[in-house]
Amino acid sequence: DIQMTQSPSSVSASVGDSLTITCRTGQTVNGFLAWYRQTPGTAPQLLISATSTLQGGVPSRFSGSGSGREFTLTISSLQPEDSATYYCQQGYSLPRTFGQGTKVEIK
Amino acid sequence: EVQLLESGGALVQPGGCLRLSCAASGFTFSTYAMAWVRQAPGKGLEWVSSLAPSGGITYYTDSVKGRFTISRDNSNHTLFLQLTSLRAEDTAVYYCAKGDSSVASYFGPWGRGTLVTVSS
Repeated sequence: DIQMTQSPSSVSASVGDSLTITCRTGQTVNGFLAWYRQTPGTAPQLLISATSTLQGGVPSRFSGSGSGREFTLTISSLQPEDSATYYCQQGYSLPRTFGQGTKVEIK
Repeated sequence: EVQLLESGGALVQPGGCLRLSCAASGFTFSTYAMAWVRQAPGKGLEWVSSLAPSGGITYYTDSVKGRFTISRDNSNHTLFLQLTSLRAEDTAVYYCAKGDSSVASYFGPWGRGTLVTVSS
């Protein structure tokens, strides 16, 4: 199984700040990396697929990058509604695996 | 608009069984892989199973192999997950999710989930 490690586990930032979350994979995933956002009590939402492809309806302040075994999700100009837990997920091999999550709190 | 609506979650005793359903609409159901992903209370996301568009190819995480069965009815746009020999560690919200293609590398949209609680 491909291990997924996110950092940090939690972070607190202010509205307007820029924030970067890192996801490291145990083996190369050939760019098959997605990011999800989950607010409390709701289902996860796919934000980015294939490392950097923004899904329809997702604000352009979200961006993804990376290669090899290290990937990042950047949220520029944080908004109050970005308070959530963010997960990375590899879609390269089975079983599909998720990172442990990064909880983002807006100050 | 894609909509996924899960049902069938319940409180069940260890060793018991359940059948979860996911009614899909808003897309050509028969051309997409589908998946179940679960989330134990206060924990992260865990992929459980995926199913090819035709229903002929299935994949499972090791902890549920031999106990859970994924299936689909393309005529009625419904995904199923049969859960047997349930254990306390199967307690979770079970989400149905649309795959991004015929392979399901990624998942989205997701349904709102159905809660399975395994307890005596």
